[in-house]
Order: sequence, then structure tokens, then C-alpha cells
Amino acid sequence: QSALTQPASVSGSPGQSITISCTGSSSDVGSYNYVSWYQQHPDKAPKLIIYDVAKRPSGVSNRFSGSKSGNTASLTISGLQAEDEADYYCCSYEGSSTFGVFGGGTKLTVL
Amino acid sequence: QVHLVESGGGLVKPGGSLRLSCAASGFTFSDYYMSWIRQAPGKGLEWVSYISTSGYTVYYADSVRGRFTISRDNAKNSLFLQMNSLRAEDTAVYYCAREIAAARRELDYWGQGTLVTVSS
Repeated sequence: QSALTQPASVSGSPGQSITISCTGSSSDVGSYNYVSWYQQHPDKAPKLIIYDVAKRPSGVSNRFSGSKSGNTASLTISGLQAEDEADYYCCSYEGSSTFGVFGGGTKLTVL
Repeated sequence: QVHLVESGGGLVKPGGSLRLSCAASGFTFSDYYMSWIRQAPGKGLEWVSYISTSGYTVYYADSVRGRFTISRDNAKNSLFLQMNSLRAEDTAVYYCAREIAAARRELDYWGQGTLVTVSS
């Protein structure tokens, strides 16, 4: 049950785009399209923003997009806004255990 | 609308026990896999356990296997986590969450969380 690898922090100015990477292995990200992303503001519960690698739940802004290449998934936020400042976590289905494994989280700072 | 409300957290001494509950509403509870996720203070998310719709299939993180037991009561729309032999490292906010679809480990609704503190 090894965690997925995310950068600890990223930053960007309002209006810019940023990308957060999430690196796993052939046992999880590389073999399954069950990659999800969560946004968490301080002292709040996580919120699903991307599932099945690139799908957005109803109500989530189209400024959020997801993709995957090999063992690495990515979350891109375009047109950065102040309210995007939060922690972001990726998660993948892990085939050998059928469990879910999270990334360590990335703190996004909007400058 | 979907609503998940956890309860049962609190302060407990090392070696003690707690039982967390999660009351679900706004959806057909028996149709969904459910999970417990925890977050230690200032740390990231950790998947603790999941349970299938019938309760027949369960899975635990290595860190809690043998100490925690997940269960559900579909008639009462409730999810539970029995936590025994608690350790300081179990201190965390515990969230219950609904899986968007069976066996994908993607969580579309989360509760507000309940804080468990293990300390003497």
C-alpha cells in the first residue's frame, strides 16, 4: 500500500494554469482508469473534482481537467482563481489489493 | 441530497476502543460500497477500510488490520467502524465516504468527519 507521489507544493498567479502530477506504478495508475482527484480546503472535507482519470462530477468547474500517461496522472487547473488555493490529492485503484491508494497531497498557492 | 454524518469520535486512552457511526441519507444506501478514510493532524489522506454493498467483502489498510472492523446496517442506512487496541498513531479525523461505483475506489460524497484522539 505505497502512496502515490505528488509534488508537495505548486503555485501560480491568478489567470494562469498549473499542473499537478501524480506518479504511481503499473499496479495502480498505469493499469486502471480509476484515478480520482480531491480538493480540500482547510478544516473541510475533501471534495471530488475528477474521477475516471478525466471526468468531472456535476457542478465542478470545467477549469479542472485530468489526464493520464503511463504511470503518471495529472490534474490541470486553468484560469487560476483565489478560491482554488487548497490541498489536492490524487487517488488510484490498486489492483493487487483492490484497495485505494492516495497521493501525499499538493498544496496549491495562488500568488 | 446525499448526506453523510459521522459520530462517535472522542478522546480515548492507548489500548482503548471506540465505535464510529455514519448515518447516510438521500440515496439508496444498500446500493453503494462505503469506506472510511482518515487524516492525521496536518497530514494526508489514508484509506482505512471499505465494505461492499452486502457487507460480505471488506478490506483494511495494513496499519489497522486485526484491530479495526468495518460493518454496515442497510436497514438503518448506517456504516460503522469498530476500533480496538487504539494507538497514538490512530489519532485523526475519520471520514465516511460513498464510492461512486462499485470497486473503483473513487469517492463522490464525504461526511464532515469525526475526530479521534488517542492519548493518555
